[in-house]
Amino acid sequence: EAGVVQSPRYKIIEKKQPVAFWCNPISGHNTLYWYRQNLGQGPELLIRYENEEAVDDSQLPKDRFSAERLKGVDSTLKIQPAELGDSAVYLCASSPIGQGSYEQYFGPGTRLTVT
Amino acid sequence: KNEVEQSPQNLTAQEGEFITINCSYSVGISALHWLQQHPGGGIVSLFMLSSGKKKHGRLIATINIQEKHSSLHITASHPRDSAVYICAVGETSGSRLTFGEGTQLTVNP
Repeated sequence: EAGVVQSPRYKIIEKKQPVAFWCNPISGHNTLYWYRQNLGQGPELLIRYENEEAVDDSQLPKDRFSAERLKGVDSTLKIQPAELGDSAVYLCASSPIGQGSYEQYFGPGTRLTVT
Repeated sequence: KNEVEQSPQNLTAQEGEFITINCSYSVGISALHWLQQHPGGGIVSLFMLSSGKKKHGRLIATINIQEKHSSLHITASHPRDSAVYICAVGETSGSRLTFGEGTQLTVNP
């Protein structure tokens, strides 16, 4: 069974440019998470989807970040415009059910560098 | 104060040594997760536990619910165990995981 797929793996952009990340979760997983991980820190949740509905986006900087999960399968996270402080690894994860007692399966992440 | 705290932040060991990484948390949890992250970013789930002890190969995870503390042990450590180990808790009050900052383990040959 394929794991969580993310693309691209690496992205280097100049500040003020837009960037988009794509995630395809494990088949059948209703819950999809986007995390941001700064160097030397644990992941921080940006947004959680249950099927196509964003049920927890309280930590998503909505002035520049947006996300969508049309049809409740794959998802896209966008930053426009990017700032220097957005440099981080963006991780996507999926889970059969969105509860803390269920295992989350992580993708390889996208390492973003904003110059 | 972070809800999930790990110690130590960095750990260097010689091959073969017994290693312990600790995790303390301050909230009610439904489960605690131990995760491994190798250079390059990918995160792998090692254990999910809500009581007692679990063992997988050379890895052992324990949790004490009353003391809100968990430990991850690695027996007969090997250089390939070098990675960041992250503790995360699933809170009883919600659906998200709260992550510790991770412990960078380096095992030298």
